[in-house]
Amino acid sequence: DVKVTQSSRYLVKRTGEKVFLECVQDMDHENMFWYRQDPGLGLRLIYFSYDVKMKEKGDIPEGYSVSREKKERFSLILESASTNQTSMYLCASSLSPSRDYEQYFGPGTRLTVT
Amino acid sequence: DAKTTQPTSMDCAEGRAANLPCNHSTISGNEYVYWYRQIHSQGPQYIIHGLKNNETNEMASLIITEDRKSSTLILPHATLRDTAVYYCIVRVAGGGGADGLTFGKGTHLIIQP
Repeated sequence: DVKVTQSSRYLVKRTGEKVFLECVQDMDHENMFWYRQDPGLGLRLIYFSYDVKMKEKGDIPEGYSVSREKKERFSLILESASTNQTSMYLCASSLSPSRDYEQYFGPGTRLTVT
Repeated sequence: DAKTTQPTSMDCAEGRAANLPCNHSTISGNEYVYWYRQIHSQGPQYIIHGLKNNETNEMASLIITEDRKSSTLILPHATLRDTAVYYCIVRVAGGGGADGLTFGKGTHLIIQP
């Protein structure tokens, strides 16, 4: 089974802090994605990556950056957390660009910024 | 991307087959039908996808009509753990996922003991 793990299930941070969310997949998948999910707004794509050291902006990249130094690990960074970044953050991976919408999700990190 | 329409909610008795319909009447020839579900407070879970042939895996079966304007997800022996919101989406595969996954309101399936 594909396993996608995220570093924390719940996180509370203060406004202005730098926040790191880590995601690891164990199935040698090429693609990795970061989404946020908010009530009434659904899933929104923040960033994705097709390969090590490659990244592409999604629909809402402002205020976020990402890092993919190893194939299995994709990190989301909030440079200076703000209250409007309080959300559920979901990491996903897919095998390859041709299987792009067959995505496997982690359990999510519920981030609260106070 | 083609729009999908699903019932808001459905009930099913435990042990029975759960049949979840989805209409996608504007689907284009190269769009696949994907099904996901999300159990409360968990990440979405991929279930199955297909283009025009019926598909089956260890979780479910996907029946796509010949004109491809609708499909049905079948959970053959529903259990209480299948209570979740089920999402049907259509996407053109092979683009790398750049459009991201976007879910509509989905169907809230409640399995009754």
